[in-house]
Amino acid sequence: DAGVTQSPTHLIKTRGQQVTLRCSPKSGHDTVSWYQQALGQGPQFIFQYYEEEERQRGNFPDRFSGHQFPNYSSELNVNALLLGDSALYLCASSYRGMNTEAFFGQGTRLTVV
Amino acid sequence: AQSVTQPDIHITVSEGASLELRCNYSYGATPYLFWYVQSPGQGLQLLLKYFSGDTLVQGIKGFEAEFKRSQSSFNLRKPSVHWSDAAEYFCAVGAGDSGTYKYIFGTGTRLKVLA
Repeated sequence: DAGVTQSPTHLIKTRGQQVTLRCSPKSGHDTVSWYQQALGQGPQFIFQYYEEEERQRGNFPDRFSGHQFPNYSSELNVNALLLGDSALYLCASSYRGMNTEAFFGQGTRLTVV
Repeated sequence: AQSVTQPDIHITVSEGASLELRCNYSYGATPYLFWYVQSPGQGLQLLLKYFSGDTLVQGIKGFEAEFKRSQSSFNLRKPSVHWSDAAEYFCAVGAGDSGTYKYIFGTGTRLKVLA
């Protein structure tokens, strides 16, 4: 049973560019959440997708957007990258409607230069 | 406001010694509580969770945690630490409806284990 998979593992972008990160949820899961983890910090909730709609959003600007596909996979897009966007981006999947925990992927390390 | 506080940024223990990592939360309703571990450059691995029932929960790798509502705490313990336990530990509270909650994480405690 494959867990949560994220791609790419690492990437480097230049300020002002746009980036897309991808996540495939654990088999049987239908809800995907994205978190940003800056160096030395705990993960911060960005947003959550269920039934292809954004259901919850944390305190992040509109430069951060997402999408969920019919197969439950998800993308995180960040426009107009800033140096401060450099972080580990974690995807978590869960099954809505059950009292279960979320499973996290290994993350995508984004470096903005 | 919902929040999680991990008062110890770094903890160093000798291998074989006991361990307790502190976690305090602020949440209006009955909390769902979690402890995760993160090795360098890796994602988060769930150690244990508390949803309801017995306030002492057992997890993987010999860890346990005790939920104390009166103290708003959910401290993680291990009776004998192994060198492989060196990592960063995050306490989190699940905020929202069952199955759809977001996690609010503490800032983490980095554990160093001395041989």
